[in-house]
Amino acid sequence: GAVVSQHPSRVICKSGTSVKIECRSLDFQATTMFWYRQFPKQSLMLMATSNEGSKATYEQGVEKDKFLINHASLTLSTLTVTSAHPEDSSFYICSARYLASGKTYNEQFFGPGTRLTVL
Amino acid sequence: GNSVTQMEGPVTLSEEAFLTINCTYTATGYPSLFWYVQYPGEGLQLLLKATKADDKGSNKGFEATYRKETTSFHLEKGSVQVSDSAVYFCALSDNQGAQKLVFGQGTRLTINP
Repeated sequence: GAVVSQHPSRVICKSGTSVKIECRSLDFQATTMFWYRQFPKQSLMLMATSNEGSKATYEQGVEKDKFLINHASLTLSTLTVTSAHPEDSSFYICSARYLASGKTYNEQFFGPGTRLTVL
Repeated sequence: GNSVTQMEGPVTLSEEAFLTINCTYTATGYPSLFWYVQYPGEGLQLLLKATKADDKGSNKGFEATYRKETTSFHLEKGSVQVSDSAVYFCALSDNQGAQKLVFGQGTRLTINP
């Protein structure tokens, strides 16, 4: 299957700093990338959907000025957590998809996730 | 809105036991249904899927049947192995627009030898 990587896998930062997380599709071009947040022992919550070259679409309740998403190329999307606070500590997961015409469903391929800890 | 409810974990079984993880959903229209598996330290992987009522998805000995009448998509395996230990997520997509996924809360499965 297709491979999606995330970097870094873990990051610890001080409160008030910004952190950038990268998501790359390694062997396919991703027309759409998704960013999720996962709290301990809870489900994945979709934060935003991004299409290459256009602005991300954020889910209700997600602050777009706090979670900046850039999808500058067909293989790279970045999530920047600005002015991070301890409550932003979480597991962030991206997925990538190539939208093929004529298919009922186009599979999302998931990255391994990034553990963010804000002190 | 769309939602998925799955069996609370953790679930602990002995090797070769029969496995069922329940999943029910609420959705408008005709969603596609999925089971994803997350092994320790890895990303989610698609285990199986079904795109319409009465479809059965199967992979690696796991099966799930799309039951529209009971809005369910229960995951089953006849004989589990230690290597099946992972977290399992039930999910749906409404097949509209961006085809977003809605996940259940996940069920941690541990298989003891």
